[in-house]
Amino acid sequence: EIVLTQSPGTLSLSPGERATLSCRASQSVSSTYLAWYQQKPGQAPRLLIYGASTRATGIPDRFSGSGSGPDFTLTINRVDPEDFAVYHCQQYATSPYTFGQGTKLEIK
Amino acid sequence: QLQLQESGPGLVKPSETLSLTCTVSGGSISSGRYYWGWIRQPPGKGLEWIANIYYSGSTYYNPSLNSRLTMSVDTSKNQFSLKLSSVTAADTAVYYCARCGRMGTERYSDPWGQGTLVTVSS
Repeated sequence: EIVLTQSPGTLSLSPGERATLSCRASQSVSSTYLAWYQQKPGQAPRLLIYGASTRATGIPDRFSGSGSGPDFTLTINRVDPEDFAVYHCQQYATSPYTFGQGTKLEIK
Repeated sequence: QLQLQESGPGLVKPSETLSLTCTVSGGSISSGRYYWGWIRQPPGKGLEWIANIYYSGSTYYNPSLNSRLTMSVDTSKNQFSLKLSSVTAADTAVYYCARCGRMGTERYSDPWGQGTLVTVSS
């Protein structure tokens, strides 16, 4: 099973700052099979990025993804107040499809 | 717009079977492009992929749950279902249903249902 480790666990930033979230896989994962999700309290996760760098439909261009196995990054340029949430990475290269434990982006 | 909605009991007794159904609207579950799946999230914890099913009935289970899982699909009702047997408190979670691509490069989950909390307690 591929283990995904996200860092930091919590990121405290002010609106307008840049957020950099990391996801490291326990073994090499092709960038084709890495997704990022955003989850707000009481809501289901929402797909942000797939294929490591492709934004899902309707996702603002301040969100960008990069990286290649085993290290991936989600960057949010100029964090908006609506962006404070938990972010999860997922690999779908190998079953079982695993998620990271999440990074909470909170208001500083 | 495709929507998914989970339904089922919110409380299940230990050792019994958890049963959930996901109803798909705004699209056909018989589309050959997609799998239909379940993902869960224990309170305050991360996400765990449970299983996927294809409209033909082919299933793909998480090995850690395989011995307790049964998924089924009802194309006439545009629904798919999950049964998890011999539940314990560790199975308490919000259960989400979601669509994912059949092609490997599209096997991310999108969209998701709103989720339903299932508590295992006597």
